Amino acid sequence: AQKVTQAQTEISVVEKEDVTLDCVYETRDTTYYLFWYKQPPSGELVFLIRRNSFDEQNEISGRYSWNFQKSTSSFNFTITASQVVDSAVYFCALSEQGGSEKLVFGKGTKLTVNP
Amino acid sequence: DAGVIQSPRHEVTEMGQEVTLRCKPISGHNSLFWYRQTMMRGLELLIYFNNNVPIDDSGMPEDRFSAKMPNASFSTLKIQPSEPRDSAVYFCASRTRDSYEQYFGPGTRLTVT
Repeated sequence: AQKVTQAQTEISVVEKEDVTLDCVYETRDTTYYLFWYKQPPSGELVFLIRRNSFDEQNEISGRYSWNFQKSTSSFNFTITASQVVDSAVYFCALSEQGGSEKLVFGKGTKLTVNP
Repeated sequence: DAGVIQSPRHEVTEMGQEVTLRCKPISGHNSLFWYRQTMMRGLELLIYFNNNVPIDDSGMPEDRFSAKMPNASFSTLKIQPSEPRDSAVYFCASRTRDSYEQYFGPGTRLTVT
């Protein structure tokens, strides 16, 4: 069965600090996809990134970077030089190619960036 | 391009009433998903459709919930009769068949009193 664990319930940082959000997943499939979504206070869910299980290359997009390690079943998300606008709940999610196409979400990490 | 459209954005109703939530997926997307978000259970899939056909409804809580997709541009989620425990934010999402990322609508916040 697929499962996503985000152990950090809430994180609070001061603006310009770097912050890493942890995500650990479980799956029996060899082909799967990992995602990060952002849910700002306004409530919508915004897609940030997708990684497939065959691509362990880390990715950087501006201040955002993602570290995918199959050996530890982790897909961590780092925000560099955090800003107040980064305050949101961040969800990690998993989708298995061989089984259901649904997204299984972690419980989310609430990030608060203080000025 | 317009994103996923959901209506209403907010719904307040009394226990026992019928509630219908609506969703218009992104044009060209052929998979549609209904999720529910609560504090206790987080985000959970209720049902999804591929090419207007329901594929997996194992997440639908009980017979009071039903969903339809009469065509590629419209879906409904109906709760009849509604109960206070149905209070949640209901999200609709869509994606293309060959892409795994789902794009979410703004959600409908349902309050059943």
